[in-house]
Amino acid sequence: GESVGLHLPTLSVQEGDNSIINCAYSNSASDYFIWYKQESGKGPQFIIDIRSNMDKRQGQRVTVLLNKTVKHLSLQIAATQPGDSAVYFCAESGGGADGLTFGKGTHLIIQP
Amino acid sequence: DTGVSQDPRHKITKRGQNVTFRCDPISEHNRLYWYRQTLGQGPEFLTYFQNEAQLEKSRLLSDRFSAERPKGSFSTLEIQRTEQGDSAMYLCASSLWTGSTEAFFGQGTRLTVV
Repeated sequence: GESVGLHLPTLSVQEGDNSIINCAYSNSASDYFIWYKQESGKGPQFIIDIRSNMDKRQGQRVTVLLNKTVKHLSLQIAATQPGDSAVYFCAESGGGADGLTFGKGTHLIIQP
Repeated sequence: DTGVSQDPRHKITKRGQNVTFRCDPISEHNRLYWYRQTLGQGPEFLTYFQNEAQLEKSRLLSDRFSAERPKGSFSTLEIQRTEQGDSAMYLCASSLWTGSTEAFFGQGTRLTVV
């Protein structure tokens, strides 16, 4: 069936560097995308979202890029900090479903 | 604290027992969602309410699972005759439905069935 997935299960970056986490989706009817951060033992925390009528959205230290042509979503984190270490999930909704469909997650590790 | 609150945080139960979890959403949010998350996986949608009406249920929600939101505020998720495969983190989320589905999650209830 259609699903949202991530390219890499683990990403290790040096503190202070920029990181890019990628996500592929296959449901062309999806019109809303969210990135969540989840720390161990906690619930997912909203980071940033983007609608399908946009291709870029910026927040504080984070940028989400959406390429509808290739059904690709990415999360850029600038100047990574130790507190950015977590599992990051992309999620999508739309196409008639009201619940979010999550990918499997990327574990971001920040090395000192 | 005005976030989504879930109770209990942890629950250990014997196989075959019934368990009930509670979720208190953000007070002005009219939508409430339940998700299940197993280790190493993303959350999986189970069901959601708009006010007190249960509008959608995933096929993951077997007959042993039932959710209620009687007054459109807090919600309960009950699992009857628990099985080891029910062991997971059960997450609740809420949102204010204005055309956006930005959902805020609680800390979850971790269920272990032994």
